[in-house]
Amino acid sequence: NAGVTQTPKFRVLKTGQSMTLLCAQDMNHEYMYWYRQDPGMGLRLIHYSVGEGTTAKGEVPDGYNVSRLKKQNFLLGLESAAPSQTSVYFCASRAPGIGGARLQQYFGPGTRLTVT
Amino acid sequence: QQPVQSPQAVILREGEDAVINCSSSKALYSVHWYRQKHGEAPVFLMILLKGGEQKGHEKISASFNEKKQQSSLYLTASQLSYSGTYFCGASGGGADGLTFGKGTHLIIQP
Repeated sequence: NAGVTQTPKFRVLKTGQSMTLLCAQDMNHEYMYWYRQDPGMGLRLIHYSVGEGTTAKGEVPDGYNVSRLKKQNFLLGLESAAPSQTSVYFCASRAPGIGGARLQQYFGPGTRLTVT
Repeated sequence: QQPVQSPQAVILREGEDAVINCSSSKALYSVHWYRQKHGEAPVFLMILLKGGEQKGHEKISASFNEKKQQSSLYLTASQLSYSGTYFCGASGGGADGLTFGKGTHLIIQP
C-alpha cells in the first residue's frame, strides 16, 4: 500500500497562474483533508471532504477550490496564485467514526509551492 | 482557535526529560500528537480521547485532562532522534479536520 501520495512534490508558479494539486489514497478512507503549513503557524485546514462528491470549507479556504470526484482522490486548485499562497501543502485522510484508531489522520509527503 | 502549546522551544541534553503542554479553549473530544522533522511530513505519535486517558509509545507518553482541556506530552530519557517540532492537534469529534497548535521545537544535544 502506498498510503497517501501527493503530486507534484515541488512547484514554482508565477503570480496569476493556476495549478492543481493531486492527493490520492489507497486505504479506502471516506474523509480527506487539505492543510497548509507556514513557518511558525502550524498546520491550518483549507478544505475537507467527508465523501465522494462532497466538500466543505476549513479555516483558510479563500483562494482555493477543491473537488472529490472519486473516493480515492482529492484535488486542490489554485485559480490565480498569489505570493501569499507560498506554503507547504499536506493532504491527509482517515476512516469515518469516532473510535480511537479510526480518528488517526494519515498524511501525505507534502507539496512545496512557491509563488513568485 | 488554535490550541496553545508551551514551551515554544526547548533544548535538552541527551537523556534528559521534557514535557510539552497543549491547551484548548474549546471542548475537546480527542488530542493528537505529531512529530515533524525539517522538510518532512508530520509523523503520528498517539491519540488521546476524552476521559483522562494516558498512553505511551516507547519512552514517550501523554495525558489528557478533559476538565482542563489540556494535554501533556512526556519525553523520558530523550534520544537524539527525538529532535524535531512537536504539534498537538485538537478535535471536537466531528469529521472536520484537526486544529493544530503552532508547535514546540525540541533540540536534543549530545
